[in-house]
Amino acid sequence: DSGVTQTPKHLITATGQRVTLRCSPRSGDLSVYWYQQSLDQGLQFLIHYYNGEERAKGNILERFSAQQFPDLHSELNLSSLELGDSALYFCASSEGGYNEQFFGPGTRLTVL
Amino acid sequence: KNQVEQSPQSLIILEGKNCTLQCNYTVSPFSNLRWYKQDTGRGPVSLTIMTFSENTKSNGRYTATLDADTKQSSLHITASQLSDSASYICVGGANYGGSQGNLIFGKGTKLSVKP
Repeated sequence: DSGVTQTPKHLITATGQRVTLRCSPRSGDLSVYWYQQSLDQGLQFLIHYYNGEERAKGNILERFSAQQFPDLHSELNLSSLELGDSALYFCASSEGGYNEQFFGPGTRLTVL
Repeated sequence: KNQVEQSPQSLIILEGKNCTLQCNYTVSPFSNLRWYKQDTGRGPVSLTIMTFSENTKSNGRYTATLDADTKQSSLHITASQLSDSASYICVGGANYGGSQGNLIFGKGTKLSVKP
């Protein structure tokens, strides 16, 4: 158990809908990262937050947004969903800097 | 373009044997090289993290090497166990103003250890 929690574990929705994925980092970790892993693809970095502020953006679509709250939990919002958005979405946390990232169990999103 | 390539794509070995996984990376500005183990459907677990000045790092039966000149890394697994069956992911870290957010992931090598 990495200490990072993600909810929900599974999510099935229809095209055009909007969903919110939630992540709680390990106690004391200030950094939260979001990743997308499509079938048979490598993990793609989406976005990094540190202590409530956005620090880096990767291949994140404009339809996707994220935020980190004062209690350090983070939410990833996905809107106008398309079939291609079906993937595993992972959250990871770290103390910051170049420290090890601890990954959560992921949320499996299926868009029908 | 930043990228990480791994070989082989998949590998089958017998329990108790050793194996070596390869990684070639093009990451700039390069900061660190990581290896993760990912069981199917689960989050990756960190095995090693090496900065550009480190040549080797071990974690139990896992030993990673790094050659920053040739931009190559390898992960050696000794005396394999059935529980080593997983995907092993090589990750290049780029240094962007103190944020390690720009991690470039390889597609992984899928290792199957057979009894």
